[in-house]
Amino acid sequence: DAMVIQNPRYQVTQFGKPVTLSCSQTLNHNVMYWYQQKSSQAPKLLFHYYDKDFNNEADTPDNFQSRRPNTSFCFLDIRSPGLGDAAMYLCATSRDPLMVAGYNEQFFGPGTRLTVL
Amino acid sequence: EDQVTQSPEALRLQEGESSSLNCSYTVSGLRGLFWYRQDPGKGPEFLFTLYSAGEEKEKERLKATLTKKESFLHITAPKPEDSATYLCAVQASSNDYKLSFGAGTTVTVRA
Repeated sequence: DAMVIQNPRYQVTQFGKPVTLSCSQTLNHNVMYWYQQKSSQAPKLLFHYYDKDFNNEADTPDNFQSRRPNTSFCFLDIRSPGLGDAAMYLCATSRDPLMVAGYNEQFFGPGTRLTVL
Repeated sequence: EDQVTQSPEALRLQEGESSSLNCSYTVSGLRGLFWYRQDPGKGPEFLFTLYSAGEEKEKERLKATLTKKESFLHITAPKPEDSATYLCAVQASSNDYKLSFGAGTTVTVRA
């Protein structure tokens, strides 16, 4: 089955210790997204890639970076995690909305739960 | 800025007791409104997309409707397996990519 995969499912890091979260997809979608979701809150878009073009949301902290080495993979790097960065990190993909009349149905992975000690 | 407000925050239902969830939105030109289901500790699962006022979509016991200011998700004769958080999101015409989500309604269905 085509899907979005995130690894690891649970990640524990120490305050200030860099961490990388991974996302891969078999849907062959052009666009990949990273969201942050804190407990009982709405998912918040951090950034997205349209192919290799990186697009940062204006309020995403500089502490968060991303890489997309190829169509299938995307990484979220948190350079110096703080206690406030503990959250579920969700990866999503969509087809090219410019090619499908602007329809932007996004498909999510299972998420990585990040704990910062 | 796009705003999405979902109510109620939590809903407890008896099995078979139908109810509705509300999603009110403010957006400068609606391109699409999306409903997702999220189980605890998992990613959101896509349910429906609605594009224009008056549109309705159904899937099993769920039915989504759309007006110019809000959307409803109707749950008919719910079962315990319908227990989840239901998220609503909107996409503005001015943005090809960004979805703005509400905080969700957590539904618990008791047998």
